[in-house]
Amino acid sequence: KQEVTQIPAALSVPEGENLVLNCSFTDSAIYNLQWFRQDPGKGLTSLLLIQSSQREQTSGRLNASLDKSSGRSTLYIAASQPGDSATYLCAVDNYGQNFVFGPGTRLSVLP
Amino acid sequence: DTGVSQDPRHKITKRGQNVTFRCDPISEHNRLYWYRQTLGQGPEFLTYFQNEAQLEKSRLLSDRFSAERPKGSFSTLEIQRTEQGDSAMYLCASSLATGFTYNEQFFGPGTRLTVL
Repeated sequence: KQEVTQIPAALSVPEGENLVLNCSFTDSAIYNLQWFRQDPGKGLTSLLLIQSSQREQTSGRLNASLDKSSGRSTLYIAASQPGDSATYLCAVDNYGQNFVFGPGTRLSVLP
Repeated sequence: DTGVSQDPRHKITKRGQNVTFRCDPISEHNRLYWYRQTLGQGPEFLTYFQNEAQLEKSRLLSDRFSAERPKGSFSTLEIQRTEQGDSAMYLCASSLATGFTYNEQFFGPGTRLTVL
């Protein structure tokens, strides 16, 4: 059974810092991995999707990497801003059967 | 088409009542997913459809829950005889799964259910 964990559970940083969020999964037989952002009481916004054959994806200040063999992904946020404050969730796609989500990392970026 | 929509956004009901939620996916998407999310947790998979066929159901989906996707367009999720433990955010997502895409999921705003 696929299990996804995220470290840290919460993170508070001053504006401008670069930061790394971690995601680990137990079964490396995944189709893809997707990072999402969720604001309080809202739905999920897709940030990046990494295909199983890829090592990383970039979008603006975000960079996500994937190491399938070790069951790890990281989300790197450069030059953090207060507007980045949200919960960040990673999810692995078990070959389209379903997505398994981690519990999320709650990020606060202080002005 | 501006994305996945869900209706209602909020629902308050009394224990024992039935409730139904609707999800309208992105129009060209062939897959539709339902998830449940409780406070402080990641979403938990409930079920998904490929076109009108329901292909996978989680053990979380007890016999009080039923989902449909008639004609492969919108979907409904019904909960019968609601219990206080059903209180959660119910999220819908859709994706386009073909041999040339990678099943990126797009989520709706969710329906928050409160069972009194």
